[in-house]
Amino acid sequence: QQQVKQSPQSLIVQKGGIPIINCAYENTAFDYFPWYQQFPGKGPALLIAIRPDVSEKKEGRFTISFNKSAKQFSLHIMDSQPGDSATYFCAASMVGSGNTPLVFGKGTRLSVIA
Amino acid sequence: DAGVTQSPTHLIKTRGQHVTLRCSPISGHKSVSWYQQVLGQGPQFIFQYYEKEERGRGNFPDRFSARQFPNYSSELNVNALLLGDSALYLCASSLIPTDTQYFGPGTRLTVL
Repeated sequence: QQQVKQSPQSLIVQKGGIPIINCAYENTAFDYFPWYQQFPGKGPALLIAIRPDVSEKKEGRFTISFNKSAKQFSLHIMDSQPGDSATYFCAASMVGSGNTPLVFGKGTRLSVIA
Repeated sequence: DAGVTQSPTHLIKTRGQHVTLRCSPISGHKSVSWYQQVLGQGPQFIFQYYEKEERGRGNFPDRFSARQFPNYSSELNVNALLLGDSALYLCASSLIPTDTQYFGPGTRLTVL
């Protein structure tokens, strides 16, 4: 059973566009939602993370929107650049209960074309 | 500061063999987690260690084992390798288990 569902699988946007990647979860015990960026041959790098007590968090060009009632969260990349082309993973864990392993979505391959 | 380091970078083994993967956490980090990432999928949790004690184990067979040393580095061992064990094995470290996890570059294991 997939605990975190991520969509779309792949995404192509023009430079300057705003790609949006969506994730949904079932387990209401999840209380920490990070996004990771992964380039080919590299490990995932933390981009931004959010807790369910806020509905939005912004860091630079990256914004997380969080809808607790719908159990959904999304990543928006403002003014996307070709260097943002990578695979993006959403994840969730239950930090508050001490259950800290990350549960990942299947990933979204983003291509930003000039 | 150096990030999480893993060795080796790449490894090729044959079915039935044994493999040991190594991880050095970020200086000061006492928790290490291991994940398996099959091509085209998200990482899947294998083990988490904190202060040399196992804190959690994912849904992996007993062929997988790990340990953490007094200097907080860690080893992941896989026995009786199967073709399906071919994957990128990622190590992540954090100050404590509830803190942000930072990933290393991974070890690419190919089983022939």
